[in-house]
Amino acid sequence: DTGVSQNPRHKITKRGQNVTFRCDPISEHNRLYWYRQTLGQGPEFLTYFQNEAQLEKSRLLSDRFSAERPKGSFSTLEIQRTEQGDSAMYLCASSLDKGFDGYTFGSGTRLTVV
Amino acid sequence: GENVEQHPSTLSVQEGDSAVIKCTYSDSASNYFPWYKQELGKRPQLIIDIRSNVGEKKDQRIAVTLNKTAKHFSLHITETQPEDSAVYFCAASKGSQGNLIFGKGTKLSVKP
Repeated sequence: DTGVSQNPRHKITKRGQNVTFRCDPISEHNRLYWYRQTLGQGPEFLTYFQNEAQLEKSRLLSDRFSAERPKGSFSTLEIQRTEQGDSAMYLCASSLDKGFDGYTFGSGTRLTVV
Repeated sequence: GENVEQHPSTLSVQEGDSAVIKCTYSDSASNYFPWYKQELGKRPQLIIDIRSNVGEKKDQRIAVTLNKTAKHFSLHITETQPEDSAVYFCAASKGSQGNLIFGKGTKLSVKP
């Protein structure tokens, strides 16, 4: 297990298209988090899962954003009807159940909306 | 909700000097304070963290101090090296959910 894996690394899409990103957490980690990072800013929390349960989604930026973790392993983040303002780095992180043990970020997916 | 402010936004030091980055947080219930280093195009990497029951923690050239009363915490890097050049982020969390609230970052440049 080499850490948190995110695919694709880069995605260029036309405005109005839907995009989906995938995150594979560290295998024994039950918690999975999604963040968005825009240029010159710190990561901004979007949502998180405890196993397959999405326990916080109020920070998702709009109803165009949705996330799933169907079997409690990998997760997907979907953005529908993309806008230029969605261009950013989307980071995934995972951790063990308690506290912040092993909290590890993936390398991210850079989205460019043209 | 929690708000984290970080200063300065940029910091330039000579190799061998010390660097200090400061953060303040708003939610007194926050109890976990990590610091991340992010190099250009790479993922944030944890360099040191501190929990609210501790006032100071040190790891080689890096130290973090926490003042719960004033709600601020600081990162100290001694004997800086060019490879310390990166963007550093502080963060805070209440721990119950595990989501981190980040500051806006400090771009540290260490000049040889």
